[in-house]
Amino acid sequence: GENVEQHPSTLSVQEGDSAVIKCTYSDSASNYFPWYKQELGKRPQLIIDIRSNVGEKKDQRIAVTLNKTAKHFSLHITETQPEDSAVYFCAASFNTGTASKLTFGTGTRLQVTL
Amino acid sequence: DTEVTQTPKHLVMGMTNKKSLKCEQHMGHRAMYWYKQKAKKPPELMFVYSYEKLSINESVPSRFSPECPNSSLLNLHLHALQPEDSALYLCASSQEPRIYYEQYFGPGTRLTVT
Repeated sequence: GENVEQHPSTLSVQEGDSAVIKCTYSDSASNYFPWYKQELGKRPQLIIDIRSNVGEKKDQRIAVTLNKTAKHFSLHITETQPEDSAVYFCAASFNTGTASKLTFGTGTRLQVTL
Repeated sequence: DTEVTQTPKHLVMGMTNKKSLKCEQHMGHRAMYWYKQKAKKPPELMFVYSYEKLSINESVPSRFSPECPNSSLLNLHLHALQPEDSALYLCASSQEPRIYYEQYFGPGTRLTVT
């Protein structure tokens, strides 16, 4: 089945710095790559996603890049703020035929310090 | 209304009890999902319903029994659970079973099995 690796597991940055989280996936047929943010005690929320026909996507301070050849995708957060502190999960889709499913990475705990 | 609701928020049950978790969405989504999330771990897919039919069962033990009574409702019936089943159970929905669409997560039910 699909395997998604995510690094680093924890990341501490100072407010205003950039943060980068990297993921690799195993199934070359995967075609959709969302990123979720989960604050403590809350539900995962989609922050950005990218489809396999696109190499890069940006939404204000957040950007995602995809390298299909290398099966890598990354999340970039610029000008980090304390409210960016959370656990971030990458995911990759896998199509079974009747439905698709997401496989999540192991998560990155981002801490933004003042 | 872009919300998935889940009840109850918390549930404590003994190993001999029978209980049910409920999930509801009124976004007209045709795919619904159950995930299990242990502390500091990513969500782990359990079941996928596609147009009210079970499409994916990720080899979940039979003590978990899903049910989709209609396109807006998803239940998870619990019976004879084990303490290791204690976790956050998340429901999600998406517009179509193919994963090109965002999955919206509910707030979860925190289950404790004693």
